[in-house]
Amino acid sequence: QVQLQQWGAGLLKPSETLSLTCAVYGGSFSDFYWTWIRQPPGKGLECIGEIHHSGSSNYSPSLRSRVTMSIDTSKKQFSLRLSSVTAADTAVYYCARGVSASPKSYMDVWGKGTTVIVSS
Amino acid sequence: SSETTQDPAVSVALGQTVRITCQGDSLRTSYASWYQQKPGQAPVLVIYGKNNRPSGEIPDRFSCASSGSTASLTITGAQAEDEADYYCNSRDSNGNWVFGGGTKLTVL
Repeated sequence: QVQLQQWGAGLLKPSETLSLTCAVYGGSFSDFYWTWIRQPPGKGLECIGEIHHSGSSNYSPSLRSRVTMSIDTSKKQFSLRLSSVTAADTAVYYCARGVSASPKSYMDVWGKGTTVIVSS
Repeated sequence: SSETTQDPAVSVALGQTVRITCQGDSLRTSYASWYQQKPGQAPVLVIYGKNNRPSGEIPDRFSCASSGSTASLTITGAQAEDEADYYCNSRDSNGNWVFGGGTKLTVL
């Protein structure tokens, strides 16, 4: 059974860089879109972006200027960096496994989430 | 537009049938997937594509359908444990994942 385990700093100051990593246990690392999603307190889900095992990535237009995703296939890990954070970036951040076989796409495995608070 | 919209809240009597809908242009060319989220927990994939449920995990009272720019999730015989937030998701024409705003389901 595939599991995602995520970790990273939970408390940041404004202007710092958020850094999270997600490790994949069990199952294949190839042919999936490894995604990051966030959820501000009391609000809905927002997809930050994805990175394919090949290294190609696709970021949300609203966050593209501040987001970098990377992947380490040897460790079966993928990472998120979000620069210049503000209080608006306070959220629970999830990693997830995305499957795309047009016209159907879905995220079938999720990490437990990491709470990130941005406060001075 | 790549936005998808959902009704913010829906209620259903215990044992009755409820439909949760999602509307958006992306749904004309991409199937929706649906996620259940309970307080303090990560979302869980409930159903996707043409009525596909993750094997062995999701009861068959959950089903989905799509028509034009509208996708729907139906719960036939809602149970107390179905009370949760439900989100639809799809890919837009640029390949971006797009979530609906979520629907809070209350089981009365």
